[in-house]
Amino acid sequence: EDQVTQSPEALRLQEGESSSLNCSYTVSGLRGLFWYRQDPGKGPEFLFTLYSAGEEKEKERLKATLTKKESFLHITAPKPEDSATYLCAVHRDSSASKIIFGSGTRLSIRP
Amino acid sequence: DGGITQSPKYLFRKEGQNVTLSCEQNLNHDAMYWYRQDPGQGLRLIYYSQIVNDFQKGDIAEGYSVSREKKESFPLTVTSAQKNPTAFYLCASSNPGASYNEQFFGPGTRLTVL
Repeated sequence: EDQVTQSPEALRLQEGESSSLNCSYTVSGLRGLFWYRQDPGKGPEFLFTLYSAGEEKEKERLKATLTKKESFLHITAPKPEDSATYLCAVHRDSSASKIIFGSGTRLSIRP
Repeated sequence: DGGITQSPKYLFRKEGQNVTLSCEQNLNHDAMYWYRQDPGQGLRLIYYSQIVNDFQKGDIAEGYSVSREKKESFPLTVTSAQKNPTAFYLCASSNPGASYNEQFFGPGTRLTVL
């Protein structure tokens, strides 16, 4: 069964303390992996798309990487404004409907 | 500014009532989607539409209905047949014909059953 699992469910860091969020997936025919940021009570905001193993994308303090079985979202020297839920989603074949979302990691950065 | 709008932001429904959630986009995207988000769960697909006057059921379509009469609009009706409708509803759009098929989301509607 196709599945997307994010870990940990919640992560609390001190400001400046770097860490990584994990998204592991078991899908057939991976077409792309997406990362989103979601603030409480708001819609997800698109961050990155990764298409092939070994690919990396960066945006400010965030860097996303992809292997054949998982993706990591690395957060370097985070600030309190990076606090949010980070969602991973996998596009699994050519059909527009075949996107599976993980349940997210709630990240909290203490000043 | 291009984007997706959803209204209302908050909606309260009495038992037995049908309610309609609005979703409009000016991104010129062909595809539009409705998701439901419950605490601690991933987004679950309710309905999607890849072209005007056509739509398909997602994973949890029971108790919901949609229409796609215009490219820009994809309203969702939550019917009285939906037994547990309290949730956060998200509308998204994408351009499946483009090289990248990222979905872009609206701000959401929180529906509460009284």
